[in-house]
Amino acid sequence: KAGVTQTPRYLIKTRGQQVTLSCSPISGHRSVSWYQQTPGQGLQFLFEYFSETQRNKGNFPGRFSGRQFSNSRSEMNVSTLELGDSALYLCASRSGTGNSPLHFGNGTRLTVT
Amino acid sequence: GNSVTQMEGPVTLSEEAFLTINCTYTATGYPSLFWYVQYPGEGLQLLLKATKADDKGSNKGFEATYRKETTSFHLEKGSVQVSDSAVYFCALSGVYGGSQGNLIFGKGTKLSVKP
Repeated sequence: KAGVTQTPRYLIKTRGQQVTLSCSPISGHRSVSWYQQTPGQGLQFLFEYFSETQRNKGNFPGRFSGRQFSNSRSEMNVSTLELGDSALYLCASRSGTGNSPLHFGNGTRLTVT
Repeated sequence: GNSVTQMEGPVTLSEEAFLTINCTYTATGYPSLFWYVQYPGEGLQLLLKATKADDKGSNKGFEATYRKETTSFHLEKGSVQVSDSAVYFCALSGVYGGSQGNLIFGKGTKLSVKP
C-alpha cells in the first residue's frame, strides 16, 4: 500500500506570495492532518480534516488554510508569506476511526526569501 | 494547558548501550501516548503507542509504559544500534474532542549512536 505522498518536496517562494501544498493520504484513510515543523517551535498542529470537513484547528493565523476533497486528498494554502513561514510542512493521514495512528509523509520543505 | 516535555538532547551513546529518553506530559482527560521517530530527510514514523494507563507499547526492541501516577512515558531500549540514530518525539493525543488527528509533540531528542 502506498504511503502518504506530499508534493512538491521543496519549494522556494518570496515574501508576500502565496503557496499551495498537496497531500495524498494512504488509500482508505479519511482523516488528514497538517503540521508545521521548525527548529525553534518544533512540531505544531495546523488543522485536521475528516470527510471534507475541518475537525480541529491549531493556533495559526488565518493566512493558513486548508481543504479536503471527496477523494480525501488535501491541500493547504499559505497566503502573504512571511520569512517565519519557512518550515517543513508535514501531512499525516489516518483511517479516522478509534485509536488508529497517524502515518506521516516526508514533508514539503518551504523556504521563504 | 496540555503539553509534552522531553529530555533535551543530543544524546550520544556507544553501540549496545542502554537507552532511556524521558517524557512527561500534562493533559486533562485520558490521552493516548506515542513515540515517533524521524530519520534525516524523512517524515515521522510511529514507533510505539499506549492508549491507557499501565499499557506498555513495544516495537523493534523499544519499550515505553504509560504511567498515569507519574504522568510519564519514558522510552527505553536495552541495546542500541547505529541504525537507531534519529530524532525521537514523544506525543499525546485525544485531548481535543476525542480526535486523535491532532497530536501535541515534545521538542524531540536527537540520538546519535557511535560504533
